[in-house]
This record gives sequence, structure tokens and C-alpha cells, in this order.
Amino acid sequence: NAGVTQTPKFRVLKTGQSMTLLCAQDMNHEYMYWYRQDPGMGLRLIHYSVGEGTTAKGEVPDGYNVSRLKKQNFLLGLESAAPSQTSVYFCASSYGGRASYEQFFGPGTRLTVL
Amino acid sequence: AQKITQTQPGMFVQEKEAVTLDCTYDTSDQSYGLFWYKQPSSGEMIFLIYQGSYDEQNATEGRYSLNFQKARKSANLVISASQLGDSAMYFCAMRERWGQAGTALIFGKGTTLSVSS
Repeated sequence: NAGVTQTPKFRVLKTGQSMTLLCAQDMNHEYMYWYRQDPGMGLRLIHYSVGEGTTAKGEVPDGYNVSRLKKQNFLLGLESAAPSQTSVYFCASSYGGRASYEQFFGPGTRLTVL
Repeated sequence: AQKITQTQPGMFVQEKEAVTLDCTYDTSDQSYGLFWYKQPSSGEMIFLIYQGSYDEQNATEGRYSLNFQKARKSANLVISASQLGDSAMYFCAMRERWGQAGTALIFGKGTTLSVSS
């Protein structure tokens, strides 16, 4: 099992460009998440999904859109990238929503917006 | 208001010593989960330990233990016999309800642990 994978690992964008980050999991997990990590801020929840075809906003959703067309994939889109979106992006998944369920994380995508 | 508070930006300890990383949380939920993750300089998030809100005993996993004081809303991580490989960023997180239908991990800002020989 690959667990949670993220594509790409690194990306540099110019302000105003768009891109999509792909997250895939092979554990048949219902829940998937996108976080961003900035220095001194910890991980902050962007969007999440409780199942195929559903998405919901997290703590910092502005400037991002997501889609969950297939259970195993969760896409994070930046329609018009801004320097403030320079960050490390982590995808995570969990079996369900119970408090005890561990979240498994991908390796992260380092995004720089110039 | 912060949901998860880690008041120690950095901690320094010598090899073989024990160290406690502090974490306090704020929630009105009765059912919640508390997690600690380790993030080494390579960047991946490594799960260390879990404590459920209804668990009466403190969780332990090898050299890691979680000092859970529910009334004080604290969930401190104790690492016994520190090793050089323990040098990393440590995050406390709480799984609770988020939005209408879901739950999610909410993270603290982290504590950087440096272990010296």
C-alpha cells in the first residue's frame, strides 16, 4: 500500500497562475483533508471531505477550491495564485469521523508563488 | 480563541533525559480525541500517540506517554530517555466536530525539541 500520495512534490507559480494539487489514498478512507503549514502557524485546515462527492470548508478556505469526484482522490485547486498561498500543503485521510480515527498524512507539496 | 495551545516554542534536553511537551485544549464536545504528531526536518508527519476523551488511563506507546488531565484540559506529551533522533517539531492536535457533518484534526502551533549529546 502506498498510503497517501501527493502530486507534485514541489511547484513554483507566478502570481495569477492556476494549478491543481492531487491527493490519492489507497486505504478506502471516507474522510480526506487538505491542510497548509506555514512557519509558526502549525497546520491549518483548508477544506475537507466526508465522502465521495462531498466537500466542506475548513478554517482557511479562501482562495482554494476542492473536488472529490472519486473516493480515492481529493483535488485542491488554486484558481489565481497569490504570494500569500506560498506554503507547504498536506493531504490527509482517515477511515471515518470517530474521534479515535488516526489521520494519515501525505508527504506534502511545497508551493512557492512569486 | 485557540483550540490547541502549545506554549513552548522550543525545548532543549540532553540525551537520556525525560522531557515534557505541554498542550492545553479547548472544546465543548464530550467526545474528542487528542493526538501527538512528530515532524522531523524531512517534513513528514509521524503519528506518535492517541488519547480518547473517555479513556481513564493515560496512553503509552514505548517511550512516549500522554499525561491526560481532563479537568485541566491538558494533554502533555512525555518522552522518556530522549534520543538524538527525537529532535523534531512536535504537534498536539485534537479531533473534534467541524462543520455540519464532519470531524477534523485541529493542530497547535508546535514545539521544536532539540536533543543534544
